[in-house]
Amino acid sequence: GNSVTQMEGPVTLSEEAFLTINCTYTATGYPSLFWYVQYPGEGLQLLLKATKADDKGSNKGFEATYRKETTSFHLEKGSVQVSDSAVYFCAPQAGNMLTFGGGTRLMVKP
Amino acid sequence: DTGVSQDPRHKITKRGQNVTFRCDPISEHNRLYWYRQTLGQGPEFLTYFQNEAQLEKSRLLSDRFSAERPKGSFSTLEIQRTEQGDSAMYLCASSPRTGTDTQYFGPGTRLTVL
Repeated sequence: GNSVTQMEGPVTLSEEAFLTINCTYTATGYPSLFWYVQYPGEGLQLLLKATKADDKGSNKGFEATYRKETTSFHLEKGSVQVSDSAVYFCAPQAGNMLTFGGGTRLMVKP
Repeated sequence: DTGVSQDPRHKITKRGQNVTFRCDPISEHNRLYWYRQTLGQGPEFLTYFQNEAQLEKSRLLSDRFSAERPKGSFSTLEIQRTEQGDSAMYLCASSPRTGTDTQYFGPGTRLTVL
């Protein structure tokens, strides 16, 4: 079956710091790759996605590149804000099912 | 587009009772998914519908769990004889079709079994 390994949190950063959240996966075939975000007290929201190798997904200053050779989809942001504090989930989708990682909690301090 | 809605948002029940949750997908989305999320973990897939047909079920979906989507629109998830281990957030998502289409999630129903 599919599986996802995300770096464990919490990740604590100061505002304007550079962010990397690592994600590696195992999946059959060629999955689409997603990052979802869960802000405090809210539901899961799509952050970005990539559907084939070397695609780069981007949104709200966040980026992630589909690396087929390393089966990775690391999330990056050049300058985080306090409002980015949330839990981030990496999820490959093979067929009809998303397989979520355990999530990485990001805390950004002013 | 009003998004995926779920009802109730919170449910507290006693062990052994039955509970039923409802999910209304985004209109015209023919695919609907149920996931379960326990505290501190990522969501886990439970089941998937295309229109009214239940096409996939996880091994997590024991025989105490049943899901329906009778008219291909809203869906219900029923848990019979609830156990404390059923306490979790139950998430519903919908998408227009499979493959690379994004799944849009509802706010979830938080179940607490006492």
